[in-house]
Amino acid sequence: NAGVMQNPRHLVRRRGQEARLRCSPMKGHSHVYWYRQLPEEGLKFMVYLQKENIIDESGMPKERFSAEFPKEGPSILRIQQVVRGDSAAYFCASFRSNEQFFGPGTRLTVL
Amino acid sequence: QKEVEQNSGPLSVPEGAIASLNCTYSDRVSQSFFWYRQYSGKSPELIMSIYSNGDKEDGRFTAQLNKASQYVSLLIRDSQPSDSATYLCAVHYGGATNKLIFGTGTLLAVQP
Repeated sequence: NAGVMQNPRHLVRRRGQEARLRCSPMKGHSHVYWYRQLPEEGLKFMVYLQKENIIDESGMPKERFSAEFPKEGPSILRIQQVVRGDSAAYFCASFRSNEQFFGPGTRLTVL
Repeated sequence: QKEVEQNSGPLSVPEGAIASLNCTYSDRVSQSFFWYRQYSGKSPELIMSIYSNGDKEDGRFTAQLNKASQYVSLLIRDSQPSDSATYLCAVHYGGATNKLIFGTGTLLAVQP
């Protein structure tokens, strides 16, 4: 996974709860991309962040989803009031030399 | 709407054969093209990138790009059962963000 870290690897939430997914990019990198992979579907871009800035959030659902990348600590993708349709694998990626390298992902299951 | 199209498969090939995976994209301004391999339950792993028309070879893998026809392909020579996975085609459409647009992937099954 080229040094991209994500946790937790598996997350189970009940409908209406909040989910927080964390991503630390490759050492020394200050940009992250988040993608979502719904069951039996391809990856979809969600958001691109650099430290303390959201650069492109064109793929983020309008409600319940937010992302941040603070000056210190990992990037966090936050999903409020989860619904069953949020069940998916969420991947973050680091960018190096025009290529993106993915972390192991967080698999969210909403009961 | 920028799109990337792939045949979902499954593509079944015998061990030792050449597997040919294809991908078409909709926007002529695309500059960068990538092939990722994804095993079931795992994250995508970058196996090839290609930016110029023609062929690019790396071991058993060859990526082919034809910008005029808007397609990119991946050839896997001497296919092995361990190559069985979903292969995702991804396109960078330009712009400052470098976000990738992915196809839905082609499932490759290499039969021993």
